[in-house]
Amino acid sequence: GAVVSQHPSRVICKSGTSVKIECRSLDFQATTMFWYRQFPKQSLMLMATSNEGSKATYEQGVEKDKFLINHASLTLSTLTVTSAHPEDSSFYICSAKPQGSAGELFFGEGSRLTVL
Amino acid sequence: AQTVTQSQPEMSVQEAETVTLSCTYDTSENNYYLFWYKQPPSRQMILVIRQEAYKQQNATENRFSVNFQKAAKSFSLKISDSQLGDTAMYFCAFMKTYSGAGSYQLTFGKGTKLSVIP
Repeated sequence: GAVVSQHPSRVICKSGTSVKIECRSLDFQATTMFWYRQFPKQSLMLMATSNEGSKATYEQGVEKDKFLINHASLTLSTLTVTSAHPEDSSFYICSAKPQGSAGELFFGEGSRLTVL
Repeated sequence: AQTVTQSQPEMSVQEAETVTLSCTYDTSENNYYLFWYKQPPSRQMILVIRQEAYKQQNATENRFSVNFQKAAKSFSLKISDSQLGDTAMYFCAFMKTYSGAGSYQLTFGKGTKLSVIP
């Protein structure tokens, strides 16, 4: 099956710093990628839809200046948490839709962010 | 907007037995996909099974099968011959199929924690 790699898997940072998380589709091209946030023992909450070559579409309540998303190529999307605060600590997951496919998304392994 | 409801926060099953996880959804769409995803302790989301709404036949993947009732908007997952490795969170999810705003977005239920007991 298709592989999506997320990096880093774990990151600890100080409050006020910025952290970048990468989501790569390793063996397919993805015109669309999605970013989710998952709190402990809860479901996945869609944060934004990332489309290659265009601006991301953010869900209601998600601060676009706080969570910067860039989808510069067909295999890479990045999520940058800017000026991180402890409340940004969470598990972030990406998924990718293969170009030309319908109805199937592949997920990354997730990235655990801890802000001290 | 679509909603997905999983009414069983936790379930347990004896190894080798059969268990059914419930899922209902609400939508005004006629064409869509439904999914069951598994999230083990490693947190990696794994696709268990997929169902296209236009197909009347229930999807089956080895020990996993679904009971898709479109009129009732119900999509339950049956796991047969449960194995210890089936222990995980299971999420039911809905996806619209048309292109345009919101396409390919997954709406997840809150999940059911399944424990397989030796």
